[in-house]
Amino acid sequence: AQSVTQLGSHVSVSEGALVLLRCNYSSSVPPYLFWYVQYPNQGLQLLLKYTSAATLVKGINGFEAEFKKSETSFHLTKPSAHMSDAAEYFCAVSDFQGAQKLVFGQGTRLTINP
Amino acid sequence: DSGVTQTPKHLITATGQRVTLRCSPRSGDLSVYWYQQSLDQGLQFLIHYYNGEERAKGNILERFSAQQFPDLHSELNLSSLELGDSALYFCASSPGYSNQPQHFGDGTRLSIL
Repeated sequence: AQSVTQLGSHVSVSEGALVLLRCNYSSSVPPYLFWYVQYPNQGLQLLLKYTSAATLVKGINGFEAEFKKSETSFHLTKPSAHMSDAAEYFCAVSDFQGAQKLVFGQGTRLTINP
Repeated sequence: DSGVTQTPKHLITATGQRVTLRCSPRSGDLSVYWYQQSLDQGLQFLIHYYNGEERAKGNILERFSAQQFPDLHSELNLSSLELGDSALYFCASSPGYSNQPQHFGDGTRLSIL
């Protein structure tokens, strides 16, 4: 069975600082990995996806993530945080052979301090 | 705007009642997924339909059912509602190809009183 662990339910950084949100996955087959962002009272918006092409994936709003098979990780980073980045972030995994259901981590709430 | 439309946005009802949540997928998408988001369980996959056929079930209670119609919209039916069913219910759609991401609607917030 696939699973995702997001380390840190709450991360707080200063505006302009590096954002690092951690995600580790478990999958018996090569995974597809995704990061979604959820703003208050909104649905989930896709930030980026890894589908076995380049291991460094660039997404929207300046975010990127690196797939590291040896570490089973897919951490999300952004060099300089902006106030508008405050939201909840979800890492998710799916397999590419099955029903494509997404298995989500518990989420990380990102707070940006002025 | 993801292109996925969910109605209603909010639903307040009582225990024991039955409700129907509706989802219209993005134009051209054949797959529809339903997820439940609650404080204690997080985001949980409920069920997946592809072009009218059920493809996978997750942690969906027997009191819950879903279907996808010929025009590809989907409905999630929740019956004999309990307080614990209060949650945000999301619909997502994708073209149906294995490497295409799912796009989510804004959800229906269900409150059981």
